[in-house]
Amino acid sequence: DTAVSQTPKYLVTQMGNDKSIKCEQNLGHDTMYWYKQDSKKFLKIMFSYNNKELIINETVPNRFSPKSPDKAHLNLHINSLELGDSAVYFCASSQERLLGHSDTGELFFGEGSRLTVL
Amino acid sequence: AQTVTQSQPEMSVQEAETVTLSCTYDTSESDYYLFWYKQPPSRQMILVIRQEAYKQQNATENRFSVNFQKAAKSFSLKISDSQLGDAAMYFCAYRPLFNYGGSQGNLIFGKGTKLSVKP
Repeated sequence: DTAVSQTPKYLVTQMGNDKSIKCEQNLGHDTMYWYKQDSKKFLKIMFSYNNKELIINETVPNRFSPKSPDKAHLNLHINSLELGDSAVYFCASSQERLLGHSDTGELFFGEGSRLTVL
Repeated sequence: AQTVTQSQPEMSVQEAETVTLSCTYDTSESDYYLFWYKQPPSRQMILVIRQEAYKQQNATENRFSVNFQKAAKSFSLKISDSQLGDAAMYFCAYRPLFNYGGSQGNLIFGKGTKLSVKP
């Protein structure tokens, strides 16, 4: 079984459309993340959720909205898509031990979703 | 703010030889994690090796080892007996050990080094 799975893996859409990318983890982790990898392969944090509470928002446009129906899922919704949104989006998860202390520190990543906006 | 720098955009190594990828970082924290992740053409992010800053012993995982120099804030990756399957992008990453409000879980990546392996 895949530990962190994302769907779809490829998404091609027109400017102005609204799209979603889904993420599920079966590791029992309590924190999930979305990272964006641009055309130069640079990875940058977008959001993270811990126990259904947003704890990081790295000044991404408000067209991007994470939604977590439960601890195992963190979906990414994107409204009014722009050309510059074309990228690979990675979901990840980790287990945070107690208040303010990472467990092993490791993030487990999904396979990525390549979004192409035409 | 913490930063991670990989000064080698591309590297090349002959199969069965050894190669070292460089990484430096900047932080005012004393406790943190450092990682090397591998991203092959399949796009999957794979953890290669992890180092906890409070441990002086360098981490090793089979053919992969690190040279962790805390004072110099350097964290290089050595790949021994290179194999064709080692060809990939390699990312160095930093993560604080303790999470503070607003910065929890922020894994900070370098820009990556593309490693080619020649047969």
